[in-house]
Amino acid sequence: AQKVTQAQTEISVVEKEDVTLDCVYETRDTTYYLFWYKQPPSGELVFLIRRNSFDEQNEISGRYSWNFQKSTSSFNFTITASQVVDSAVYFCALSDYGGYNKLIFGAGTRLAVHP
Amino acid sequence: GAVVSQHPSWVICKSGTSVKIECRSLDFQATTMFWYRQFPKQSLMLMATSNEGSKATYEQGVEKDKFLINHASLTLSTLTVTSAHPEDSSFYICSARSGLSDTQYFGPGTRLTVL
Repeated sequence: AQKVTQAQTEISVVEKEDVTLDCVYETRDTTYYLFWYKQPPSGELVFLIRRNSFDEQNEISGRYSWNFQKSTSSFNFTITASQVVDSAVYFCALSDYGGYNKLIFGAGTRLAVHP
Repeated sequence: GAVVSQHPSWVICKSGTSVKIECRSLDFQATTMFWYRQFPKQSLMLMATSNEGSKATYEQGVEKDKFLINHASLTLSTLTVTSAHPEDSSFYICSARSGLSDTQYFGPGTRLTVL
């Protein structure tokens, strides 16, 4: 069965601190996708990144970076120099590859960045 | 690009009435649309997957006669909550993906309150 675990329920940091959000997944598929979405207080889910299972390159986008390690089934997300606007719930998700791409979401990590 | 809208953004109705929620892909053709439900401080739960022109596929435990889904065109899907009860109060979110992409883009959500 597919499963996504985000063990950190809530994280609180002070502005400019770096913060890493953990994501561990389980799947029997050999090919799959991993995603991160941000849900600010407004409620709309914002797509951040999609990673194919056969592409283990880490990715950096501005203050965001992602570390995908297939050996440990982890897809962690780091925000460097956090800002108050980063305060949101972050969801990690897993989907199949080539099918309907149904998303299996983790429970989410609520990040609070304080000034 | 990849904008999804939902209407209404919030609705309050009396118990026993039906409510229709619209989900539109504004700048792409959505071959597949998904409907999720999210309770406060919880993750998203997939309710159903719909493909244009065919019947929706419901997740286990979701009553298809209560949550009617219609995907009449490549840009519009509707969710009708029939005979709504207070326990149906929730945040309903749709997402859409095109046949060219394996990424789901989410609408802003609809907050339903049943009195």
